[in-house]
Amino acid sequence: GENVEQHPSTLSVQEGDSAVIKCTYSDSASNYFPWYKQELGKRPQLIIDIRSNVGEKKDQRIAVTLNKTAKHFSLHITETQPEDSAVYFCAASRRNQGAQKLVFGQGTRLTINP
Amino acid sequence: DVKVTQSSRYLVKRTGEKVFLECVQDMDHENMFWYRQDPGLGLRLIYFSYDVKMKEKGDIPEGYSVSREKKERFSLILESASTNQTSMYLCASRSVVGGGYEQYFGPGTRLTVT
Repeated sequence: GENVEQHPSTLSVQEGDSAVIKCTYSDSASNYFPWYKQELGKRPQLIIDIRSNVGEKKDQRIAVTLNKTAKHFSLHITETQPEDSAVYFCAASRRNQGAQKLVFGQGTRLTINP
Repeated sequence: DVKVTQSSRYLVKRTGEKVFLECVQDMDHENMFWYRQDPGLGLRLIYFSYDVKMKEKGDIPEGYSVSREKKERFSLILESASTNQTSMYLCASRSVVGGGYEQYFGPGTRLTVT
């Protein structure tokens, strides 16, 4: 089955700097790669996603890149702000029995230092 | 606005008890999922359902069962609770209409088994 590895487990950056979180996956049939953000005490929420027919996607200060050959994808956050502090999860999935079954990485706790 | 609710935010049960966790979504979503979240392990899929009365095992189904008799409700059952089932349990739902893959999460139930 699919296996997703996420690094680093914790990341601390100065406000205004960039943050990069990396994930690798094992199943070459995976075709959808979302990133979820979970603030302290709150539910995970989708912040950006990418499908396997696209190499890069950007939404304001966040971007995701996908390298299908190497089976890895990354989240990039530029001009970090205190509200970016949260746990970030990557995931990979492919269609399974009528549902898009997600396999999540272990999570990265991002701390933005003022 | 999608709303996913879970029956309890906090629950304390004794070893050997039968435990029911309920999840309700109000957006007529076909797919529903149960995850458990543990530090350093990310979110792991227990069971999912791609439609009413349909259920499939996820990655860690042992010790759990599920029920989906109505489209809006997906129940997770711990047949005989054990201390290693102490965890945060998250429910999610997703619509298959429109081609979107986003999963919407509930607020979570923190279960403690003593």
